[in-house]
Amino acid sequence: GNSVTQMEGPVTLSEEAFLTINCTYTATGYPSLFWYVQYPGEGLQLLLKATKADDKGSNKGFEATYRKETTSFHLEKGSVQVSDSAVYFCALTPSSGSRLTFGEGTQLTVNP
Amino acid sequence: EAQVTQNPRYLITVTGKKLTVTCSQNMNHEYMSWYRQDPGLGLRQIYYSMNVEVTDKGDVPEGYKVSRKEKRNFPLILESPSPNQTSLYFCASRRSGPLTDTQYFGPGTRLTVL
Repeated sequence: GNSVTQMEGPVTLSEEAFLTINCTYTATGYPSLFWYVQYPGEGLQLLLKATKADDKGSNKGFEATYRKETTSFHLEKGSVQVSDSAVYFCALTPSSGSRLTFGEGTQLTVNP
Repeated sequence: EAQVTQNPRYLITVTGKKLTVTCSQNMNHEYMSWYRQDPGLGLRQIYYSMNVEVTDKGDVPEGYKVSRKEKRNFPLILESPSPNQTSLYFCASRRSGPLTDTQYFGPGTRLTVL
């Protein structure tokens, strides 16, 4: 079946540090890949997505590249801010079907 | 404003007492679903609905029921709640178009079953 594995958290960084959150997946065919963000007390919001190999999704300074050869979709940001503190979820939708499969989530805390 | 609303936001109940969590969306979306979020497990889909009167099981449907009598509403029913259903629940909706369409999530319902 389909699965998503995220790096273990939580992750604590200082403001302006470089962020990487690793995500790898298992799926047949060519899934679409997503990063969702959950701010404290809120529901999930789509952060970025990529629908085919080598696509780069980007939003709010975050980027992730769909790497078919390594089945990865790592999230990066060059300089994090305190306001980026949240839980980040990697997810996929298979090429056939409509179900989102989520990773376990990574808690990010950014200190001033 | 496009939104998904859930009620209640917080609920503490006892084992066996039937409860319903409501979900409503104002975007005319065909597809709606329910997830539960548990530490270390991410979000897991409980049930989903492709349109009115069309529902199907997700990954963890045991102990839950749903109905879709109107396009905008998708209530989650726990007929006989048990402590292992203590969790954070999210409703979501999207259009029935491309699978890459954004899913919109509600703010969540934190349920505690004693």
